[in-house]
Amino acid sequence: QVQLVQSGAEVKQPGASVKVSCKASGYTFSDYYMHWVRQAPGQGLEWMGWINPNRGATKYARKFEGRVTMTTDTSITTAYMELSRLRSDDTALYYCVRDRFGGIATFGPWGQGTLVTVSS
Amino acid sequence: DIQMTQSPSSLSASVGDRVTITCQASQDIKKYLNWYQQKPGKAPKLLIYDASNLDTGVTSRFSGSGSGTDFTFTISSLRPEDIATYYCQQYDNLPPYTFGQGTKLEIK
Repeated sequence: QVQLVQSGAEVKQPGASVKVSCKASGYTFSDYYMHWVRQAPGQGLEWMGWINPNRGATKYARKFEGRVTMTTDTSITTAYMELSRLRSDDTALYYCVRDRFGGIATFGPWGQGTLVTVSS
Repeated sequence: DIQMTQSPSSLSASVGDRVTITCQASQDIKKYLNWYQQKPGKAPKLLIYDASNLDTGVTSRFSGSGSGTDFTFTISSLRPEDIATYYCQQYDNLPPYTFGQGTKLEIK
């Protein structure tokens, strides 16, 4: 079955960068876009961007442009999301989530989430 | 950016009740609307795509309807395991793909 397994929780200082990984299995990795969605504590869901593993093309939400970099390593079917210049309001649970149907922003399945805490 | 407005933000209902959540888009999104369920401490789960299509394995007690700017999610008969927060999400045209603010459903 399709599975997305994310890296463990991180604690970072303001101004630092964090890189979260998402290991995919159970499907052809290059056939589906990977999205990243975050959720601040007690808050709703916020789409950050997508990456097409087939060609490495990306599209980021305007809010994160210049701070986020999404990459993939197709040889190990893993996606990465790096967020730089971290601020306290970047404290959130970060999810990777696959396109459900391929090329359409319908999200599922989801990774288990990676908690990133930004604190001095 | 397209804004999604969900109502109510919280809802308390009894087991067996019919429950309805609405989602309004700030512009026409045709049928490009999904519904997700998020249980406490868990990742969201896709329930309904394209406004009215039930995802594989999702109970038929759940249904969705609407098009354009106004959408509805319905639970025909509430069960205790339905306690969760529900989100709508639009994916019309270009990103960003925006979510509603969520509806927290509790048992009365």
